[in-house]
Amino acid sequence: QVTLRESGPALLKPTQTLTLTCTFSGFSLTTSGMCVSWIRQPPGKALEWLARIDWDDDKYYSTSLKTRLTISKDTSKNQVVLTMTNMDPVDTGTYYCARMSGSGWFTWFDSWGQGTLVTVSS
Amino acid sequence: QSVLTQPPSVSGAPGQRVTIPCTGSSSNIGAGYDVHWYQQLPGTAPKLLIFGVRNRPSGVPDRFSGSKSGTSASLAITGLQAEDEADYYCQSYDSTLSGWVFGGGTKLTVL
Repeated sequence: QVTLRESGPALLKPTQTLTLTCTFSGFSLTTSGMCVSWIRQPPGKALEWLARIDWDDDKYYSTSLKTRLTISKDTSKNQVVLTMTNMDPVDTGTYYCARMSGSGWFTWFDSWGQGTLVTVSS
Repeated sequence: QSVLTQPPSVSGAPGQRVTIPCTGSSSNIGAGYDVHWYQQLPGTAPKLLIFGVRNRPSGVPDRFSGSKSGTSASLAITGLQAEDEADYYCQSYDSTLSGWVFGGGTKLTVL
């Protein structure tokens, strides 16, 4: 059974750096083809893909946010970490990590964490 | 403004059939990239509903089906039930943005 769980701060001040951890089980990021993404959802708004990391350490970032994002993995701990710098109130929302299935660009998010709400406010 | 366009809301009576369109462009759906669909019940994380245009994960009822034509895709739900009331999102890959993209979401109301 695949499970993912996000953890991190619930409240941040503007300009601070957000660090989120996704701890997963039921699969390994050392397995060929495996990948994990981060997706966020502002309150009452649509989903937005942020970043992806692959089993071979390939990394992909949202074009609009790439200067602020860093994704990494710790395979020994079954964890994926996302950092986002210079947080702003518009970054408030629920952040999800999700496992991806498929191949190359033909991939989808087949298992999701429960999400963690991050609020940015002074 | 989402790269994939969905109507903000659709509605139908129990037992009826509804469709949710997802309109893209030549850099995503029209380029041949697959479309996937997610159901998000109130207060919960999204759940995979359809992958690879028309495939259902284990456990998803066959009342849900997907299709694709040209630069658009569609999710159809037959035999509407009260439990289907949720937000639905389409998703694909966009070659111009070099990333995975979602539609703006459609809220389904069961009357």
